[in-house]
Formats: sequence, C-alpha cells, structure tokens
Amino acid sequence: QKEVEQDPGPLSVPEGAIVSLNCTYSNSAFQYFMWYRQYSRKGPELLMYTYSSGNKEDGRFTAQVDKSSKYISLFIRDSQPSDSATYLCAMRGGSLTGGGNKLTFGTGTQLKVEL
Amino acid sequence: KAGVTQTPRYLIKTRGQQVTLSCSPISGHRSVSWYQQTPGQGLQFLFEYFSETQRNKGNFPGRFSGRQFSNSRSEMNVSTLELGDSALYLCASSSPGSGGYEQYFGPGTRLTVT
Repeated sequence: QKEVEQDPGPLSVPEGAIVSLNCTYSNSAFQYFMWYRQYSRKGPELLMYTYSSGNKEDGRFTAQVDKSSKYISLFIRDSQPSDSATYLCAMRGGSLTGGGNKLTFGTGTQLKVEL
Repeated sequence: KAGVTQTPRYLIKTRGQQVTLSCSPISGHRSVSWYQQTPGQGLQFLFEYFSETQRNKGNFPGRFSGRQFSNSRSEMNVSTLELGDSALYLCASSSPGSGGYEQYFGPGTRLTVT
C-alpha cells in the first residue's frame, strides 16, 4: 500500500465548476502538505502549502488538511480551461534533519476543464 | 529571480552507458533534491543535498548518485543505464528560510534509454 493515495482521474468538469481534489495518507509523521500543478512536459509548480491541520485560501484555490482523518483536499473555484493539468499532492515530515526535505507524492489527478 | 534550470532537457542513451544530469537552483537556495517521474510510479525521491552533503536518500540502487558543489549546483549520475531508467528527472530547490517545504521544481531532463 502506498503512503499517499490519490485518484488518478481523469476528471472532466465544465468551465466555472468547483473542483475537489483529494489525497489520503497513512504516515502520521507528515506535517507539511503541498499541492503542485503540472502541465504536460513541464515541471511541477507549487500551488499551495499548509502546515498541520486547517484551511488555507489563495485566490480561487483552497487547501484543507484534516490530520485526524489523514485526508487533504484542494478546491478550485470558478475553474478555467487553463486549470487543465495534473494536480499532485505532496507531503513531508516535520524534521529537516530527520527526514530531510524528502517529499512523498501522490500519483496525481488529471483534470480537464471544458468550455 | 531566475528559476531552477536543468540541463540537458532531453537525452537519449543506450543501455549500459552512464549519464550525468545538471541542476542549478534558484539563487540563494542551498537545498537541492532530485526526483524520478515515471507514468507507473509517479514522482519518487532520489536524494537531497544541502551544503554539499547528502542529507537524505531514497530507495534507489547505488547506480544512482549525486553531488553538490559549493555554489549549490548539483549533478546526478546514473551508471550502467537500464531500460527502466527512462524517465523525467526533476530537481527541486528550497531555501532554509522557508522551512524547506517550499520546493521549486525545474523543467526536468527527459532521459530515454534504448
């Protein structure tokens, strides 16, 4: 069983829809949670990061972390065709000296926003 | 501020050969991590260097190695290439001041082994 599980999709939504992307994880040592967006043939781009449980909002994006359920989400409001990409969740432990900067990624969810 | 750069962008090698990939981090960033991305396994951590020292290593065979120079630039080397090494190799840099969790990725080097 993988440490981080993510539905690969593909997920297809109409323009303007609210998109919900999710990951579950098994390692309770994870303290930092990130969402990356990756366009085809590009490197991942950091969208959001949160520490421990809670919500964080940035423009059309909201990240939620529920450590008690080991579940994280990314919501995209008013989705646009330009949001079509693969979304990757990533996580890291709390100690830089212990685990270093190692990120554990989900496999990514492919999102398509259609006109 | 310039982003993370990786060279070369594309590489075709033959099984059994070795390859060296290069990564220049964002100016001021001292941590460089390397990841392998394949359709089947996704993004997997290879290793991380901080101040020229390997701080963490993933579960890859010893054929995969790396180093970091005093200017924080990093190289990774893969010896005795196998067909399964075909992948997108990504490096990411981060600044100690950010707590390390803001990792910024380069565009990657796409390696094809034939």
